Amino acid sequence: SQQGEEDPQALSIQEGENATMNCSYKTSINNLQWYRQNSGRGLVHLILIRSNEREKHSGRLRVTLDTSKKSSSLLITASRAADTASYFCATEDQGGKLIFGQGTELSVKP
Amino acid sequence: NAGVTQTPKFQVLKTGQSMTLQCAQDMNHNSMYWYRQDPGMGLRLIYYSASEGTTDKGEVPNGYNVSRLNKREFSLRLESAAPSQTSVYFCASRTGKNQPQHFGDGTRLSIL
Repeated sequence: SQQGEEDPQALSIQEGENATMNCSYKTSINNLQWYRQNSGRGLVHLILIRSNEREKHSGRLRVTLDTSKKSSSLLITASRAADTASYFCATEDQGGKLIFGQGTELSVKP
Repeated sequence: NAGVTQTPKFQVLKTGQSMTLQCAQDMNHNSMYWYRQDPGMGLRLIYYSASEGTTDKGEVPNGYNVSRLNKREFSLRLESAAPSQTSVYFCASRTGKNQPQHFGDGTRLSIL
């Protein structure tokens, strides 16, 4: 069963615009992780946010976590064509079990 | 700086054939994982090995077996391949709980 539900399933924007992807989950978590997957490649880790954290930044990436709403968002600012990829959230529970969402397909047009 | 290496990258099998997918990591990670990725399904965990000498079932273990050969290597075996096992298979590793996973580039497996 999939814990993380991602929204939207697909997103198309112009270069320079911001992209926001959302992830909702159902049970309590230890942390939530975001990954990127380029076509034909494996997943690459972007950010890990722990359950006691509310916001985390890494370069042009900003992740928020609202444990009361069981949701997280990933914001990519000033997007580039190279950001075109699928983005996945993954929740980790206390036992270390990691469950991935179905992903958001982001297309950034030059 | 290889990270996680999966072999082969592509494979076509006939129904009923057997095959072993290989995975090796050079990061001295304790935990290793096998996932399958199907369109619209995200990644689903097949088996994992929390540490050398242990293996456990994930969400979709039926039809698969695994071997944690040593700390570096974790193989996935299909004993009698079925068309439903056509998928992209990813191996991942990490140091332990609450750490990010590192992924290989996948094995694309087609079963006719």
